[in-house]
Amino acid sequence: GESVGLHLPTLSVQEGDNSIINCAYSNSASDYFIWYKQESGKGPQFIIDIRSNMDKRQGQRVTVLLNKTVKHLSLQIAATQPGDSAVYFCAENSNDYKLSFGAGTTVTVRA
Amino acid sequence: DVKVTQSSRYLVKRTGEKVFLECVQDMDHENMFWYRQDPGLGLRLIYFSYDVKMKEKGDIPEGYSVSREKKERFSLILESASTNQTSMYLCASTGAINTGELFFGEGSRLTVL
Repeated sequence: GESVGLHLPTLSVQEGDNSIINCAYSNSASDYFIWYKQESGKGPQFIIDIRSNMDKRQGQRVTVLLNKTVKHLSLQIAATQPGDSAVYFCAENSNDYKLSFGAGTTVTVRA
Repeated sequence: DVKVTQSSRYLVKRTGEKVFLECVQDMDHENMFWYRQDPGLGLRLIYFSYDVKMKEKGDIPEGYSVSREKKERFSLILESASTNQTSMYLCASTGAINTGELFFGEGSRLTVL
């Protein structure tokens, strides 16, 4: 069956360093991928998305990379800040109305 | 600013009680969703609605029902709460169903004793 998963449940990163959060997906029919950020006590917030006809997309301090060959998605955060501490979810959309979410990676930024 | 409001942030209920979780959005979105979030499992879709009075089952609808009588309001109902329904419940909405930009509420943490 389809599944969306993250390689590591936790990531500890030094403030100022770059962070890389990885995600594997299994549904080759998925055509749209999204990263969400969930801060403590809040609902998830959209960060960045990418369609399957692209392999890279950049936002403000964030970059999403998509490797369809190995069904891998990553989120890179440049110059990680304390405010980046959160749980990060990848999600895939393989039909029009349903997103499948991964289990999440908890990122902790060390001062 | 877009807003999805879940009326109860924390609830404690007893096994067998009927539970209502309310969600209101102010963005005139057609599509609304209920997810539950559990550690290590991510977010799992319970039900969604693409229009008033319309509903579709998600991945884990058993033990739940929903109501969408008005466009802005989507309610999740636990007819007879059980301890395995202790969880964080997240409501979301979107106007564009073929994109992933869901707008989430802050969640309702339900404990069933």
